[in-house]
Amino acid sequence: SYVLTQPPSVSVAPGQTARITCGGSNIGSKSVHWYQQKPGQAPVLVVYDDSDRPSGIPERFSGSNSGNTATLTISRVEAGDEADYHCQVWDTTSDHVVFGGGTKLTVL
Amino acid sequence: QVQLVQSGAEVKKPGSSVRVSCKASGDTFNNYTFNWVRQAPAQRLEWLGGIIPIFGTANYAQQFQGRVTFTADESTSTAYMELRSLRSEDTAMYYCASLTGLVTAFWFDPWGQGTLVTVSS
Repeated sequence: SYVLTQPPSVSVAPGQTARITCGGSNIGSKSVHWYQQKPGQAPVLVVYDDSDRPSGIPERFSGSNSGNTATLTISRVEAGDEADYHCQVWDTTSDHVVFGGGTKLTVL
Repeated sequence: QVQLVQSGAEVKKPGSSVRVSCKASGDTFNNYTFNWVRQAPAQRLEWLGGIIPIFGTANYAQQFQGRVTFTADESTSTAYMELRSLRSEDTAMYYCASLTGLVTAFWFDPWGQGTLVTVSS
């Protein structure tokens, strides 16, 4: 089955740029989606189809996808961005949804 | 956009079953595909599958085949997930979520608030 790999944690100072990666075999050929999950809350979609943002999501959130790595980039990080971030794809081989292991973003 | 509100927390014995509901409001029920995702403590999000109410068809993740059933009631705009033969490893937060997208690009938006299911003797 298809596997997505994320770093367990990423730390960044306020105002800096955070980059969270999601690795998978030839992931660049798939559409990748990202969710933000704060403690005790349900996930919220922040980027879909590699790089599109739902309405209401700040422009500071952006995504890219190429080769074997997709990346969620958060510019000008704020304390309120501290959360777990999960990547997700649809695996066409199995017709199943696949999630990454999640990355905890800590704002120093 | 549709809003999803789930039923309350459940405590179940091993070997029993649980039924979680997900009530939709704010848009036409049959416009949506309802999926279920769970998150065990310190584990990644795990997809269980989903149902397309307008067609009455369901898609189940392989590891849950035969143990989970999805249904939908258009008259009450409610989707249901029933998980049987519960074991301690099924202790998790269960989310319903609307699946959207096209071709091979599918994502979840929005999500319900979650239902905590605890399996304990």
